[in-house]
Amino acid sequence: DIVITQSPVSLPVTPGEPASISCRSSQSLLLQSNGHDYLDWYLQKPGQSPQVLIYLATYRASGVPDRFSGSGSGTDFTLKISRVEAEDVGIYYCMQGLQTPITFGQGTRLEIK
Amino acid sequence: QVQLVQSGGEVKKPGASVKVSCKATGYTFTTYAITWVRLAPGKGLEWMGWVSPKKGYTDYAPKFQGRVTMTADTSTTTAYMELRNLRHDDTGVYYCARGWDTATVDLDYWGQGTLVTVSS
Repeated sequence: DIVITQSPVSLPVTPGEPASISCRSSQSLLLQSNGHDYLDWYLQKPGQSPQVLIYLATYRASGVPDRFSGSGSGTDFTLKISRVEAEDVGIYYCMQGLQTPITFGQGTRLEIK
Repeated sequence: QVQLVQSGGEVKKPGASVKVSCKATGYTFTTYAITWVRLAPGKGLEWMGWVSPKKGYTDYAPKFQGRVTMTADTSTTTAYMELRNLRHDDTGVYYCARGWDTATVDLDYWGQGTLVTVSS
């Protein structure tokens, strides 16, 4: 199975400040045939279902504010929030979709200072 | 608008089975796969498997293989996830989500979740 290691576990952030979450995969998530990395980012806000933020490592999902961005390739990926807002609190997960079983990172809990 | 509406919460005894439904509306049901994800108390998201309504194809996580069956009824645009021989640690919220039919990517719509409680 592909193991996804996500960090940090907890991320306290002051509103207006940037934030960054890292995911590292135990093997490359790059599909050579199409050049895409099969890594998504999801946010589960308190009391809500998860929502997609970024898919295929760098593509922002529909309706997601442009303060969210994804970068990386191969085995190392980063989600960046340029200016954190109060509504961004919740648990962030990365997920690899390259091969089954699909696996998630352990989650990062973002809280507002 | 796209919606996935799941069935209500269930309380089951160990050894019983549960069947969760996921009614899809607002899009062509056979264009997308349905993925099932579990959130257990104090744990993170866990992929259980997916079903292709178009092809009837399924793929299950090894952890659930033999205990889970995922189906999709194109006549009612409803997906189902049945989990058998329930254990206490199967307690959690079960979500369905829509994704690409060719790969588990961009799970863009999620059901509201179904709480399954396994208790003796």
